[in-house]
Amino acid sequence: KQEVTQIPAALSVPEGENLVLNCSFTDSAIYNLQWFRQDPGKGLTSLLLIQSSQREQTSGRLNASLDKSSGRSTLYIAASQPGDSATYLCAAFYGQNFVFGPGTRLSVLP
Amino acid sequence: SQTIHQWPATLVQPVGSPLSLECTVEGTSNPNLYWYRQAAGRGLQLLFYSIGIDQISSEVPQNLSASRPQDRQFILSSKKLLLSDSGFYLCAWSGWGHTGELFFGEGSRLTVL
Repeated sequence: KQEVTQIPAALSVPEGENLVLNCSFTDSAIYNLQWFRQDPGKGLTSLLLIQSSQREQTSGRLNASLDKSSGRSTLYIAASQPGDSATYLCAAFYGQNFVFGPGTRLSVLP
Repeated sequence: SQTIHQWPATLVQPVGSPLSLECTVEGTSNPNLYWYRQAAGRGLQLLFYSIGIDQISSEVPQNLSASRPQDRQFILSSKKLLLSDSGFYLCAWSGWGHTGELFFGEGSRLTVL
């Protein structure tokens, strides 16, 4: 069964800290791994997409890595800001279906 | 550029009433279209996906149905709502091929009373 888990479920950090969010998937036969951000009551916003042949992707203060063999992806957020407060979800794509993790709720305190 | 519109944003309906949520994608052709439900404290549940007009797959048995009358239009419906249908409904689209990047609409909050 294809499953995606995310650790931690919630995280609270002071402004300015660097932090890492973790995503694990049971089936390594993914086509890609996508990270999303969701603000309360809103839809999901795509942050980064890593193809299965890639090791990492960067966008501004965000860096996502992918290790297919170990079934893991990490999202690194540098110099966190209060505006980064949101729920972060990862999703593994298996060709037609997307399997989502439950998300990590991040609070960045000013 | 591609955009996805979903409406209404908020809906309060009595039990037993009908439902229609609409989703439209602009700036792309022949997208794969998806309806998800996100219940409070739970993850995203795939309800329906469509690879083309009149080609719709249902993932879970339920009180809901979906239709795709046009290439870029996806509609979620119910004839009679249940209390358990309350939740946050999200429409999404992706292109063809193995890139598989998924884009979401803003969501529709449904409360059934």
